[in-house]
Amino acid sequence: QQPVQSPQAVILREGEDAVINCSSSKALYSVHWYRQKHGEAPVFLMILLKGGEQKGHEKISASFNEKKQQSSLYLTASQLSYSGTYFCGTDLGGGADGLTFGKGTHLIIQP
Amino acid sequence: NAGVTQTPKFQVLKTGQSMTLQCAQDMNHEYMSWYRQDPGMGLRLIHYSVGAGITDQGEVPNGYNVSRSTTEDFPLRLLSAAPSQTSVYFCASSAMGGSEGQETQYFGPGTRLLVL
Repeated sequence: QQPVQSPQAVILREGEDAVINCSSSKALYSVHWYRQKHGEAPVFLMILLKGGEQKGHEKISASFNEKKQQSSLYLTASQLSYSGTYFCGTDLGGGADGLTFGKGTHLIIQP
Repeated sequence: NAGVTQTPKFQVLKTGQSMTLQCAQDMNHEYMSWYRQDPGMGLRLIHYSVGAGITDQGEVPNGYNVSRSTTEDFPLRLLSAAPSQTSVYFCASSAMGGSEGQETQYFGPGTRLLVL
């Protein structure tokens, strides 16, 4: 089942902070975050594993609440380059069944 | 390393025509997958493979076939194209995770397909 992302879109000024949420109705092994710019392929940002381990980007942080099956991506002091669509992909674990992606959050950073 | 490559970049088909979307990776990844991306729908998994000779269906497999004869290549075939298959197609690869989870997925540049 597709995870739910919120908000659907957000407009910020450069330097402001943003939080993007990803919720699942199923127990997750991990949550993956990707950013996609218009006309390009998604690019990996971060993986959050149950148990607290994180792998990924230096300047972007995220959390994973196992009790709520919810992940949040924190973009602080946003830069123009952060603009794009952010997708979370959820992994139920147990093998290699691929990721189930949310519908995305569109982030626009204005100067 | 070229990473994940896809050809063609753009394609226009007529309803009923067949074609193969090519995907190759040079990272020696065991896991490869195909996604389609439609406006407002996110990325949806079509088929995936955990190694040469092994494929399985994802969320939206109807109308598509795949095969995996080598580690490097994972072509996607449309046997009889329909307008509903108009989409952007992404191929991705990753190393196999441990027994429980997925590793980082690396995406190709995509193929934009229009079916008239």
